Amino acid sequence: DAGVIQSPRHEVTEMGQEVTLRCKPISGHNSLFWYRQTMMRGLELLIYFNNNVPIDDSGMPEDRFSAKMPNASFSTLKIQPSEPRDSAVYFCASSLAAGTDTQYFGPGTRLTVL
Amino acid sequence: GENVEQHPSTLSVQEGDSAVIKCTYSDSASNYFPWYKQELGKGPQLIIDIRSNVGEKKDQRIAVTLNKTAKHFSLHITETQPEDSAVYFCAARVWRNQGGKLIFGQGTELSVKP
Repeated sequence: DAGVIQSPRHEVTEMGQEVTLRCKPISGHNSLFWYRQTMMRGLELLIYFNNNVPIDDSGMPEDRFSAKMPNASFSTLKIQPSEPRDSAVYFCASSLAAGTDTQYFGPGTRLTVL
Repeated sequence: GENVEQHPSTLSVQEGDSAVIKCTYSDSASNYFPWYKQELGKGPQLIIDIRSNVGEKKDQRIAVTLNKTAKHFSLHITETQPEDSAVYFCAARVWRNQGGKLIFGQGTELSVKP
């Protein structure tokens, strides 16, 4: 079975540009999570969805960040405009259901904002 | 607030020795505690987890213990091997709204020297 799929794997962009990260959760999973990983702050939860509905976006740092899940098999995390401090590895994870424990992580997208 | 403290931040052991990583959590309602292993350039992968109704769980060379009264849990790796070298994260689940989210510790970089 395919795991969580993320694209692109690497993104280099200039400050002020729009960045869109994509995620395809494991088929049949109903919960999806977006994380950001940096050396300074570790692994932070940005937002999570249950059945395509955003449940908790308290981790989204600013209005420049937005996330959508138009259907059960696709989600996007958008940063507009991007800033150098947004440089990080962004992970998507999915789990079977809201109350299900195990989260399966994707390989991540390494974002560099120059 | 919700918090998970993890120690040590780095750990170096000789091949064949044991390694212990410790975590404490703040939310007394937490009832699920997973451990993730992250290799360079990859997403975190679940290696073992424990629920609050048990005190210990083993899986071959890996074991996890939980002390709910003290809000401590630990990862024990015996007979360490070079391929155990990675960053290990503990986490605790907190319940909010329609589901739970994981709060991660800061990570422990384990190095196993041959």
